[in-house]
Amino acid sequence: NAGVMQNPRHLVRRRGQEARLRCSPVKGHSHVYWYRQLPEEGLKFMVYLQKENIIDESGMPKERFSAEFPKEGPSILRIQQVVRGDSAAYFCASSPHPAQESGYTFGSGTRLTVV
Amino acid sequence: GESVGLHLPTLSVQEGDNSIINCAYSNSASDYFIWYKQESGKGPQFIIDIRSNMDKRQGQRVTVLLNKTVKHLSLQIAATQPGDSAVYFCAENGAAGNKLTFGGGTRVLVKP
Repeated sequence: NAGVMQNPRHLVRRRGQEARLRCSPVKGHSHVYWYRQLPEEGLKFMVYLQKENIIDESGMPKERFSAEFPKEGPSILRIQQVVRGDSAAYFCASSPHPAQESGYTFGSGTRLTVV
Repeated sequence: GESVGLHLPTLSVQEGDNSIINCAYSNSASDYFIWYKQESGKGPQFIIDIRSNMDKRQGQRVTVLLNKTVKHLSLQIAATQPGDSAVYFCAENGAAGNKLTFGGGTRVLVKP
């Protein structure tokens, strides 16, 4: 049973390009969360999704960022027109239940560098 | 608003000694708390959790204590080993209960 799979592990983009980060949750997990982590800082919540639904996007910047979790396939975090400030580690987590019932399993993250 | 904070950003501990990592939370509605360990270049790894109807829970070499009166959470690591060197985060599920809010982290450095 593979854990949460994220790819790519490292992603370099030039300013203005698009970044697409993929996350395959643990098999059977229907709750997916995306977090951003700057160096030497904690994890900041971005968005919580269930299959085909965005449940909570209160941590997502209003512009340039979007997320989806389609019926088939991985969850995608998309950042359009990247800027240097988007450089960070992006972690995906999944759980079989909402956060009040169980913890998350995290992936190894995607480290985005904007040059 | 919700916030989870840690008292000590860095903790140096001698190998074999016990470690105590502290965490303060502000949301009294939180009823589920978790400690995570993050090694360099890796994702956070679940260590232990506790619900608000408990004040202590033990795992293998780890104990989590919850004091709801002062909204304080701690993680105790017994006989700290070099492999315990990492950043440790506490997390709470907050008022809505649908996501985890993480603290800023404490780095534990184990000296041989």
